[in-house]
This record gives sequence, C-alpha cells and structure tokens, in this order.
Amino acid sequence: ETGVTQSPTHLIKTRGQQVTLRCSSQSGHNTVSWYQQALGQGPQFIFQYYREEENGRGNFPPRFSGLQFPNYSSELNVNALELDDSALYLCASSLAWGYEQYFGPGTRLTVT
Amino acid sequence: GENVEQHPSTLSVQEGDSAVIKCTYSDSASNYFPWYKQELGKRPQLIIDIRSNVGEKKDQRIAVTLNKTAKHFSLHITETQPEDSAVYFCAARARSDMRFGAGTRLTVKP
Repeated sequence: ETGVTQSPTHLIKTRGQQVTLRCSSQSGHNTVSWYQQALGQGPQFIFQYYREEENGRGNFPPRFSGLQFPNYSSELNVNALELDDSALYLCASSLAWGYEQYFGPGTRLTVT
Repeated sequence: GENVEQHPSTLSVQEGDSAVIKCTYSDSASNYFPWYKQELGKRPQLIIDIRSNVGEKKDQRIAVTLNKTAKHFSLHITETQPEDSAVYFCAARARSDMRFGAGTRLTVKP
C-alpha cells in the first residue's frame, strides 16, 4: 500500500450542500492530484497542486476548488453539490511534478 | 485536450494464457504512459509505466510497448494467474493532467 491517506472514507450529502475532502500525501511528496471516478469509468483529472500552487486543471467547473498546505496535504472542496457529483474521489501524490503518482484509497461521496 | 481510448473493455483468458490491452492517445505532447490495476473497492495501483524516450519496458510477467508514431501503447501480461483479475487502466500525460482510458475488466479463469 502507498503512504497516501484520505478522509473521510464515505460521505453522504444533500444536493446544494458543500463538502471538503482531505488527502495526506506520501512522505517526501510535494505534488497532489485529484481525480473523480464515476462508477465503471476511469479517473478524471480535476486539478493538481505543486508546492502549494495549482499546477493544472481539468474540465471541471469553478465550484470544484482546492488547496495545498505547507506540509503538502491537500483539500478538495465542492460547492453546490449536484447528484452527478456522486463518485469516488481519489487523490494521488508524487515526489514532484512529472514523477509517477500513487493513489490514496479514495472518498466515496454520495449526493442525494 | 488529451483523449485516451482503451480496448477491449472486457477480456477473459484461461490461466496461463497471455493478455493484451491496447490504448491510443491523441496529444502528441504526451510523454508519460502509466498502467494501473484496480481491484474491486480498492485504489488504483501503479503496475508499470513507460516514458516517451523508451519503446519497451518489462517487469517480470508484465511488459509495456509504446509506438509514438502511431500514438498507441499496449500492456502485455504473460502466464496470467487468477490474481491478475482486475480492472486495468491506461493513462497518458502531456503536462500536469493525466488522462485515463475507460478501463479493461480482465478475468482469468482457473
């Protein structure tokens, strides 16, 4: 198993609410990427943080936002939740930008 | 942006046979191509990767080949075992964004 951890494991929210998901990167890793994985599909890139700065963003609306802290842990915030936001949210850390990525166990978000 | 196509979507083989999964990508700037294995309810696990300056890479029963001209890369698993059963994802990265294929569900029958 990788040293990447995520919390919480599962979460149930109501449409319109806001949610914050957390990721602790593997020791020594300064880059964190976030992905959304819908059931039966491949992960979709949301954004990446490198040394506390956003380093790239996928095709997700602005209500998906993030943050990286000085210890390189990261948060994913989603505002105004929609039913289609129900998915497994994965974070992946890497030694630095451009290196191989290692995934955390994910947070299963259900929006009702 | 990058578009990654993966085939087949499902693959069933007998134990001991070989399995091949193929992917194509669209962004010629892509320079890194990892493969992940995801078992049910678990995180994707990096099993092998290849960079654009290499044509082939092998790790025990697993190998990956890359054809930059044709923009396709493949995963080869030899002497398959029941524990190889999982969903396999290919991915391609040009800049910071990693684009994944839709996955191949591999079943190895004992």
